[in-house]
Amino acid sequence: GNSVTQMEGPVTLSEEAFLTINCTYTATGYPSLFWYVQYPGEGLQLLLKATKADDKGSNKGFEATYRKETTSFHLEKGSVQVSDSAVYFCALGRLIDEKLTFGTGTRLTIIP
Amino acid sequence: NAGVTQTPKFQVLKTGQSMTLQCAQDMNHEYMSWYRQDPGMGLRLIHYSVGAGITDQGEVPNGYNVSRSTTEDFPLRLLSAAPSQTSVYFCASSLGQGMYFGPGTRLTVL
Repeated sequence: GNSVTQMEGPVTLSEEAFLTINCTYTATGYPSLFWYVQYPGEGLQLLLKATKADDKGSNKGFEATYRKETTSFHLEKGSVQVSDSAVYFCALGRLIDEKLTFGTGTRLTIIP
Repeated sequence: NAGVTQTPKFQVLKTGQSMTLQCAQDMNHEYMSWYRQDPGMGLRLIHYSVGAGITDQGEVPNGYNVSRSTTEDFPLRLLSAAPSQTSVYFCASSLGQGMYFGPGTRLTVL
């Protein structure tokens, strides 16, 4: 079956640091890959997505590239801000029925 | 647009009680689903629907029922609550390009 493994947290960085959150997956077929973000007390918001190999998803300075050869979809940002503090979830799914498989989430805290 | 709305925001039940978690969306999305979020386990799919009148089980369906009589509404029913159902429940909807999540219902079963 499908599964998603993402790096354990929590992750604490200083403002303006470079961010990488690792995500690897196992899946049958050709799933789409997603990163969702959850701010305190809120539901999940779609941050970015990629629907096929070598696609790069990007939004709000975050980006991730769908790497089929390494089955990875690592999230990166060049310069994080305090407002990026949240829990980040990697997920895979099929756009045809939107059944998503989530990773366990990585809590990110940015300190000024 | 209100997006995806969920009620109630918080709920405390006693073991054996029943209740319905409400979910509604005003975006005319065909796909709707229910997830539960537990510490260290990410989100797990309970039930989902690809359109009015069509529902199917997800990864953890036991103890939950759903129905989809309209495009807008997708209620989740707990028939006999158990402490293992203590969790945060999220409803989500989509047109097939990424899910929109509601704000969640925090449920505690004593």
